[in-house]
Amino acid sequence: GAVVSQHPSWVICKSGTSVKIECRSLDFQATTMFWYRQFPKQSLMLMATSNEGSKATYEQGVEKDKFLINHASLTLSTLTVTSAHPEDSSFYICSASPQGSGNTIYFGEGSWLTVV
Amino acid sequence: EDQVTQSPEALRLQEGESSSLNCSYTVSGLRGLFWYRQDPGKGPEFLFTLYSAGEEKEKERLKATLTKKESFLHITAPKPEDSATYLCAVRLGPPSNDYKLSFGAGTTVTVRA
Repeated sequence: GAVVSQHPSWVICKSGTSVKIECRSLDFQATTMFWYRQFPKQSLMLMATSNEGSKATYEQGVEKDKFLINHASLTLSTLTVTSAHPEDSSFYICSASPQGSGNTIYFGEGSWLTVV
Repeated sequence: EDQVTQSPEALRLQEGESSSLNCSYTVSGLRGLFWYRQDPGKGPEFLFTLYSAGEEKEKERLKATLTKKESFLHITAPKPEDSATYLCAVRLGPPSNDYKLSFGAGTTVTVRA
């Protein structure tokens, strides 16, 4: 079945550095992918919509210069956390749905980011 | 404002003790209500999508139902492996942005053997 994969599963970085998280749809194409973040024991909060071939759309309160999103192809979206700070530590999850099939929305396994 | 509210926040069950989780929503023009299961430290796993009042879907010990204002996830004779957080989400946005979801806070289910 359809699978969405994220890499890395977990990453530790130093404050002030940048880290990139990849989201891939493994056996289908997705013109749109979504990025969420989740704090411990809280639900998923939508950060932004990643659009293939155009700029990402950010939710209110999400800094677009801090969370850079690039949708390089129909199977890959990347989230780069720039100048990371400890408060950026969180669980980041992406989602995608096969084109023309909005009935099932698949999520990646998530990526744990710890900023020290 | 569109809202999704889940209750209870946590549910502790004995193995075999059936129960139900609630998801109430206030969205104009529902275009899909989704149920997911999430294990600790992992991404959500898709369970069901419901579209119209009266619709029901089943998968093993889980059954999801939908009314005009809420959805229920019934767990029949649960087993310890059903322990997880169950998330409810509604689809938002115009048809061109068909996959954007708004999530409830989740219900954490613990099933004791």
